[in-house]
Amino acid sequence: EIVLTQSPGTLSLSPGERATLACRASESVGSSYLAWYQQKSGQAPRLLLFGASARATGIPDRFSGSGSWTGFTLTISRLEPEDFAVYYCQQYGSSPWTFGQGTKVEI
Amino acid sequence: QVQLQESGPGLVKPSETLSLTCNVSGGSISIFYWSWIRQPPGKAPEWIGSIHHSGSTSFNPSLKSRVTMSIDTSKNQFSLRLRSVTAADTAIYYCARDRSRDGYKDQTNYYYYGLDVWGQGTTVTVSS
Repeated sequence: EIVLTQSPGTLSLSPGERATLACRASESVGSSYLAWYQQKSGQAPRLLLFGASARATGIPDRFSGSGSWTGFTLTISRLEPEDFAVYYCQQYGSSPWTFGQGTKVEI
Repeated sequence: QVQLQESGPGLVKPSETLSLTCNVSGGSISIFYWSWIRQPPGKAPEWIGSIHHSGSTSFNPSLKSRVTMSIDTSKNQFSLRLRSVTAADTAIYYCARDRSRDGYKDQTNYYYYGLDVWGQGTTVTVSS
C-alpha cells in the first residue's frame, strides 16, 4: 500500500501567517487522486481539496494545493482563527486508499 | 444536499461482531460508491472499504478477512459488519460518499472528487 508521510507533525503559527504543509508518498500517486482534509476536534474530516489542487464546494481561496507524483503541498495563504485544526492528505489512486498521519496547525 | 448518519451499538464485546448502518438522505444511494472509514483515538483515519449500489465491494487488505458490507437501495442505506473484534477495533466509525472514481477534466488535468461527504461518526468501543 502507498504510505503517505506528512510534515511537519505540528506547525505553530499566528493568525494572518502563511502555512505550508507537505505530504510525501512512498510511490507515485497521480495528482488526480490526492485529497486534503481538515479535521477539527470532535468533528468528522472535511474535504478541502481534491485532485491535488481543486477546491471542494465552499472552501475559501486562501486554501491551495500543488504537487504531483510523490510530493504534494497544502498552502493556507493567511491563517484565520477557524483554520487551526489537523490536516490530512489522502490518496485514492491505488487501493487501499490511505491517509497521512496528519499535521496539526496550532496557534 | 446529501447527508449521512451512522447508527449502531456503541459498545461491542471482544470476539463479537460490530454492525453499523449508514442512512443516506437528500440523494440516492444508487449513484457513486460509499465507504466506511474509522479513526482510532488520537490517530489518523483508516479506510475500511467501499461498496457500490451494484453490490461490488473493495476492502482494505488489513481488514478484508473480517469485513462484510451490504447495501439496501430501497432504504437508501448501507451497512458494515466487522467480525471477531478486539480492543484494537475501538474507534470512531464514519461513513462517507466515495467519489474517488468520479471527476472531471479541464484543459490539462483530471480531478477526481475523493471522499466528499462524511457522516458525523459514531464511537464504537470494544470492551467486555
